[in-house]
Amino acid sequence: AQKVTQAQTEISVVEKEDVTLDCVYETRDTTYYLFWYKQPPSGELVFLIRRNSFDEQNEISGRYSWNFQKSTSSFNFTITASQVVDSAVYFCALSAMRTGANNLFFGTGTRLTVIP
Amino acid sequence: ETGVTQTPRHLVMGMTNKKSLKCEQHLGHNAMYWYKQSAKKPLELMFVYNFKEQTENNSVPSRFSPECPNSSHLFLHLHTLQPEDSALYLCASSQHQMNTGELFFGEGSRLTVL
Repeated sequence: AQKVTQAQTEISVVEKEDVTLDCVYETRDTTYYLFWYKQPPSGELVFLIRRNSFDEQNEISGRYSWNFQKSTSSFNFTITASQVVDSAVYFCALSAMRTGANNLFFGTGTRLTVIP
Repeated sequence: ETGVTQTPRHLVMGMTNKKSLKCEQHLGHNAMYWYKQSAKKPLELMFVYNFKEQTENNSVPSRFSPECPNSSHLFLHLHTLQPEDSALYLCASSQHQMNTGELFFGEGSRLTVL
């Protein structure tokens, strides 16, 4: 079975602060994918990143970076120099190649509020 | 028009009503999904359609009945719902079910069951 845990329910930071959103996953599959999605107030989830289980390289995209560590089953997301537009609910998700890359199991989400 | 469009955005219904949620995608995708988002719970995958064929039914009660007449349209027919069915229902699409995990979501239909 797949499981994703996002222990942080809500986080508030002041604009320009860095913030890290934690994600811990469980799976017995050896080939799997990890994702982060952003849900702004409008409601639609927006894809941010996908990593596969073979690639533990960290990734940076502008102010966003992701730290994938198989040893701790974690896939954490850091926003550097946060902005008000980053305020949203962020979901970490997991899927397994065996059951279909698009059958995502989501965590409960972390609501990030960036205060101006 | 682009992306994934869901209607209605808000719906209030009684427990004996019958209503439908509609989803339309303009991305040329072949897989469509219904997810349920309840407060403090993970998004729950309800149904998956791949090339118009239902490939996943995640033990959803029969009071929810999906329909996928073509790859661009997906419906969720609702009847005799319970108050605990109140939630945000999200539709998503992807190229096909087995590819990259990048789903494109609509803005959701917020359902309230009285």
